[in-house]
Amino acid sequence: RKEVEQDPGPFNVPEGATVAFNCTYSNSASQSFFWYRQDCRKEPKLLMSVYSSGNEDGRFTAQLNRASQYISLLIRDSKLSDSATYLCVVNNKTSYDKVIFGPGTSLSVIP
Amino acid sequence: GAVVSQHPSWVICKSGTSVKIECRSLDFQATTMFWYRQFPKQSLMLMATSNEGSKATYEQGVEKDKFLINHASLTLSTLTVTSAHPEDSSFYICSAENPGQVPLLGQYFGPGTRLLVL
Repeated sequence: RKEVEQDPGPFNVPEGATVAFNCTYSNSASQSFFWYRQDCRKEPKLLMSVYSSGNEDGRFTAQLNRASQYISLLIRDSKLSDSATYLCVVNNKTSYDKVIFGPGTSLSVIP
Repeated sequence: GAVVSQHPSWVICKSGTSVKIECRSLDFQATTMFWYRQFPKQSLMLMATSNEGSKATYEQGVEKDKFLINHASLTLSTLTVTSAHPEDSSFYICSAENPGQVPLLGQYFGPGTRLLVL
């Protein structure tokens, strides 16, 4: 089983739609969780951290369920510029050098 | 914000040649840098952790003699792909950690280097 799993998609949604991405991780001792976005042929960029209490940043809401080892990202009112690959990222150790990237979920927002 | 540069951004080379990729932290000192590789339609895979002044720590399955890492200063790490072959063609990305910050938030990614081995 992969350490971090995501639905690869692609998700094709119309502008203004709400879309949710899911991610599961296998190591119950994982410490930190993040969502990154990666545009085609570019480096990943941090989108947001994910906290147990859930957190929101504008149109983006992230949730963490430690008991189920599940992370989610909700995007409301999708924009064309949201089209990218969304990477679920998990820090698996107390030290900071074991960052595991999920395979990514591809999103295309259609006019 | 912190900036990490990589050079070159594109490399096309013949099979059997060696290729050096540089990763620089431009406005902070990075005691730790990370090298990733990403094949098409796949996720980033950590290759090695580069620590200034000491040997790099390689992930399982990554050949240290093929992927030579040198972190000789606090602002520069280099990755040399020795005797490159077509299967080494990939997108290589480095990241540098800004000490004192929450671990991953302190990691800044370079723009990546696309390597094509013919």
